[in-house]
Amino acid sequence: EDKVVQSPLSLVVHEGDTVTLNCSYEVTNFRSLLWYKQEKKAPTFLFMLTSSGIEKKSGRLSSILDKKELFSILNITATQTGDSAVYLCAVSTSGTYKYIFGTGTRLKVLA
Amino acid sequence: DAGITQSPRYKITETGRQVTLMCHQTWSHSYMFWYRQDLGHGLRLIYYSAAADITDKGEVPDGYVVSRSKTENFPLTLESATRSQTSVYFCASSLLAGGGVRQETQYFGPGTRLLVL
Repeated sequence: EDKVVQSPLSLVVHEGDTVTLNCSYEVTNFRSLLWYKQEKKAPTFLFMLTSSGIEKKSGRLSSILDKKELFSILNITATQTGDSAVYLCAVSTSGTYKYIFGTGTRLKVLA
Repeated sequence: DAGITQSPRYKITETGRQVTLMCHQTWSHSYMFWYRQDLGHGLRLIYYSAAADITDKGEVPDGYVVSRSKTENFPLTLESATRSQTSVYFCASSLLAGGGVRQETQYFGPGTRLLVL
């Protein structure tokens, strides 16, 4: 059975800290891994990764994929209170149009 | 530019009643998805659609029915609501389901919070 596991489930940090969120997966015919940020509403897209070792970066956020070890990390440097959210990881597989989501990591950044 | 909208935003119903949640997108995206989000489970796919008149089951389809007669609309019907269907329902759309970031990124609607008493 395909599955996506995120860790930690929740995290509390102080502004300025750096955090690393983890997403591991076990799926057949991996196609892509996507990261979303969900505040008190709908998820919004952050990154899509398809190739190992290529870092995607957007401001203070970055992400990388390891297809050999079947995981991805999302790094947030110099965290701000606005980074407080649930971060979701989703994996898609070739041959289907389904996206399997992890349960998310709830990040709280304290001022 | 309305994007993707859902209605109603909040719904309270009783066990056994039929409920329809509406989803409308203005981008002419081919793919549309229905998810439910519950504590401890994350987002789980209920149904998806690759185009008008093409739908398929996701992880948790039991008790739900979908249709897609027009590209822009993808209603989700709970035929006989049960308490276990109390959840937040998200509709999403994407241009395609593969081929790169632009094609594969899913855009989510604001969600419908459903309470079944």
